[in-house]
Amino acid sequence: DGGITQSPKYLFRKEGQNVTLSCEQNLNHDAMYWYRQDPGQGLRLIYYSQIVNDFQKGDIAEGYSVSREKKESFPLTVTSAQKNPTAFYLCASSAARAGETQYFGPGTRLLVL
Amino acid sequence: GENVEQHPSTLSVQEGDSAVIKCTYSDSASNYFPWYKQELGKRPQLIIDIRSNVGEKKDQRIAVTLNKTAKHFSLHITETQPEDSAVYFCAASGSNYKLTFGKGTLLTVNP
Repeated sequence: DGGITQSPKYLFRKEGQNVTLSCEQNLNHDAMYWYRQDPGQGLRLIYYSQIVNDFQKGDIAEGYSVSREKKESFPLTVTSAQKNPTAFYLCASSAARAGETQYFGPGTRLLVL
Repeated sequence: GENVEQHPSTLSVQEGDSAVIKCTYSDSASNYFPWYKQELGKRPQLIIDIRSNVGEKKDQRIAVTLNKTAKHFSLHITETQPEDSAVYFCAASGSNYKLTFGKGTLLTVNP
């Protein structure tokens, strides 16, 4: 999991603002994922991508967008449509095979001003 | 879709005792069951996993059991130590690579 980096560590969003969270991996993994974690909740899947230039919605995709232009990068944009964005955001990656371990980045904590 | 239930939500044990966390899943097609440990403010880290072709797996003080018929799996930690204190998550996955997580168990090991 040392091969996955997320930035920034903390991010502050103003009302009506879009913000982008960065996720990069050097593990040569095809699959990448974004999760949201709220206190007392498990990890909920926002979006995932199994290959470059392709991605699918997870369970809570509304108010978020992603892109996958490069194998090593999977940025997440939190749009102004996401009314309750305060959370801990975790990026993960894995080999694109069933039953493969997902490795997590260190996370970004998003706070609303 | 898959639904994973995890119990208990909190667990407090004395150092040296055993701890057991249980999860149930709904999708009979799920075949991969990892367990993650997350310390406060840190990333989840895999501690053990099991695939549907085995019923039990052990790694030192940690073991996981799987009952596919009943669709439940459990994490067992023996000889607990204060550094085992953390939140533990179970998860289940099928052929589409997606992991569905339980809501977590806060384990506290009292010295």
